[in-house]
Amino acid sequence: EPEVTQTPSHQVTQMGQEVILRCVPISNHLYFYWYRQILGQKVEFLVSFYNNEISEKSEIFDDQFSVERPDGSNFTLKIRSTKLEDSAMYFCASRAGSSYNSPLHFGNGTRLTVT
Amino acid sequence: GENVEQHPSTLSVQEGDSAVIKCTYSDSASNYFPWYKQELGKRPQLIIDIRSNVGEKKDQRIAVTLNKTAKHFSLHITETQPEDSAVYFCAARAFFMYSGGGADGLTFGKGTHLIIQP
Repeated sequence: EPEVTQTPSHQVTQMGQEVILRCVPISNHLYFYWYRQILGQKVEFLVSFYNNEISEKSEIFDDQFSVERPDGSNFTLKIRSTKLEDSAMYFCASRAGSSYNSPLHFGNGTRLTVT
Repeated sequence: GENVEQHPSTLSVQEGDSAVIKCTYSDSASNYFPWYKQELGKRPQLIIDIRSNVGEKKDQRIAVTLNKTAKHFSLHITETQPEDSAVYFCAARAFFMYSGGGADGLTFGKGTHLIIQP
């Protein structure tokens, strides 16, 4: 079964540094998402992306965040100047279409630790 | 925006018994309600979902019920087994077909840690 893949599985960075989290969505999927989960807490929506532009973003997704689909397969989340509170598990997800019959598939996540 | 409340935060049941997890939502426009299971350190995985045009859906030992009037939905697991131990998240969102076909993000509940006692 095709899967969403994310790299790296664990990223450690110093406060103020830039990080790029990478994702390869399932190949025929059209809608891409980033979610985050602070340890022990709920999964929170960050941003959705369709047709090479952001469809929706949450309040968490402020100016330090950006997303990009640089080629036909990768989908990246960039955090420009990391803060301690950015430490979380970041999940990429994708869906084939926008209808009810297109469930959301999550990747295994990237654990970001900001020191 | 949508707000999803989930209870209980922890649920411990004896193996073989049933477990029920409940969620309420605030946005009456929400029409899609999935449930995800997350094992420790792993990705959330969809186990069942329900649309607002039905009141109940069942898949083997798992069922979900929806009460649109009261704006709550529940997950029912019967004949629980040790492998059911995990964190379960409910979620809600409104599906609309925008002109660009965009799809909004899910709003998740805080999760229920289900513990199956042998």
